[in-house]
Amino acid sequence: AQSVAQPEDQVNVAEGNPLTVKCTYSVSGNPYLFWYVQYPNRGLQFLLKYITGDNLVKGSYGFEAEFNKSQTSFHLKKPSALVSDSALYFCAVRGTSSGTYKYIFGTGTRLKVLA
Amino acid sequence: DGGITQSPKYLFRKEGQNVTLSCEQNLNHDAMYWYRQDPGQGLRLIYYSQIVNDFQKGDIAEGYSVSREKKESFPLTVTSAQKNPTAFYLCASSIPGSENSPLHFGNGTRLTVT
Repeated sequence: AQSVAQPEDQVNVAEGNPLTVKCTYSVSGNPYLFWYVQYPNRGLQFLLKYITGDNLVKGSYGFEAEFNKSQTSFHLKKPSALVSDSALYFCAVRGTSSGTYKYIFGTGTRLKVLA
Repeated sequence: DGGITQSPKYLFRKEGQNVTLSCEQNLNHDAMYWYRQDPGQGLRLIYYSQIVNDFQKGDIAEGYSVSREKKESFPLTVTSAQKNPTAFYLCASSIPGSENSPLHFGNGTRLTVT
């Protein structure tokens, strides 16, 4: 069964510092991985997705994600955090079995960027 | 602009009443989903539909019902059988058959049942 874990409920980082939000996954077959961001009382916005063969994926708003197959991780990163990056971040995985259209989400990590 | 519209944004109901949440999309996506979000629990799948007139139960379908009579619309009814209906409900859509196609979300409906 597919699953995804976000081990940190909250991450605090100073503005201008690099940030990392962690995600590990468990899938059979090729992983289809995604990162989303959610601002208060809003839906989730797509940030980026894993593309097979790319260990570093670039996405929206300066975010990128590092894929590590041996560690089954897909960590979200940004070189220099902004206060406006403060939000709730979700990692998600999609099943690869034919006919499976379910996306499994992690429990979310709240990012707080301090001015 | 294409997108997903959920209405209303806030909904208040008395216990024992059924309530229907609206979800409309103009992205021409075949697949649509309903998720429930509770603090600290992430998103849990209620129902999903890959095509008109077809839908499947997700992980927490008890107490909910859906219909998919049109490609653009996927309303969710929260029935009086749902024990803890107060939550934030999110509708989403995607292109089926494309495994790395992301979900597109609406802005959600916050339901409060007292």
